[in-house]
Amino acid sequence: SYELTQTPSVSVSPGQTARITCSGDALPNQYAYWYQQKAGQAPVLLIYKDNERPSGIPERFSASTSGTTVTLTISGVQAEDEADYLCQSADTSGTWVFGGGTKLTVL
Amino acid sequence: EVHLVQSGTEVKKPGESLKISCKGSGYTFNTYWIGWVRQMPGKGLKWMGIIYPGDSNTRYSPSFQGQFTMSADKSINTAYLQLSSLKASDTAIYYCARIHRELTGDGFDIWGQGTVVTVSS
Repeated sequence: SYELTQTPSVSVSPGQTARITCSGDALPNQYAYWYQQKAGQAPVLLIYKDNERPSGIPERFSASTSGTTVTLTISGVQAEDEADYLCQSADTSGTWVFGGGTKLTVL
Repeated sequence: EVHLVQSGTEVKKPGESLKISCKGSGYTFNTYWIGWVRQMPGKGLKWMGIIYPGDSNTRYSPSFQGQFTMSADKSINTAYLQLSSLKASDTAIYYCARIHRELTGDGFDIWGQGTVVTVSS
């Protein structure tokens, strides 16, 4: 079955830039979505259709695509950004899949 | 304000059944798809399926085919997830979430608070 691969963990200091990647063979042809999930809470949509931000999501969250990899960038990381970040996309049949998640630790 | 409110924590024994509800408010419930997502303890998210409350059209993830049933009652703005013959491996948090196709494509823009299900003898 189709998989989206994410690095399990990323650590950055406050104010630095965090980059979280998600890889999948179908990503060149399918939109990617990103979610933030803080401990004990439901996910929150951060990015839709590869690089669009829903209203209310800070500008420090952005995303880009390059071939089979999509990247979520968090500029000027804040302590409150410590969370799990998950990507979502679809395989060639349109079945949705989530990545395994990346735990962002703010040092 | 748009909300999805799910039913409360469930503790069940193996072999039992349960039905989780997800009630929408603040928008026209029957014109947006509702998805169900499972999160097993300490794990990531897994998409289970989606339902369109307007006509109860459904799409199930091939990974879960036959393991659960989705339904909706548009008269009370509520979607349901029914799990039967529960096993310990069904222990998870189950989320409902809205899809706003016109705005966010296939992204889930609004989430319920999650329903914790524990299956244990």
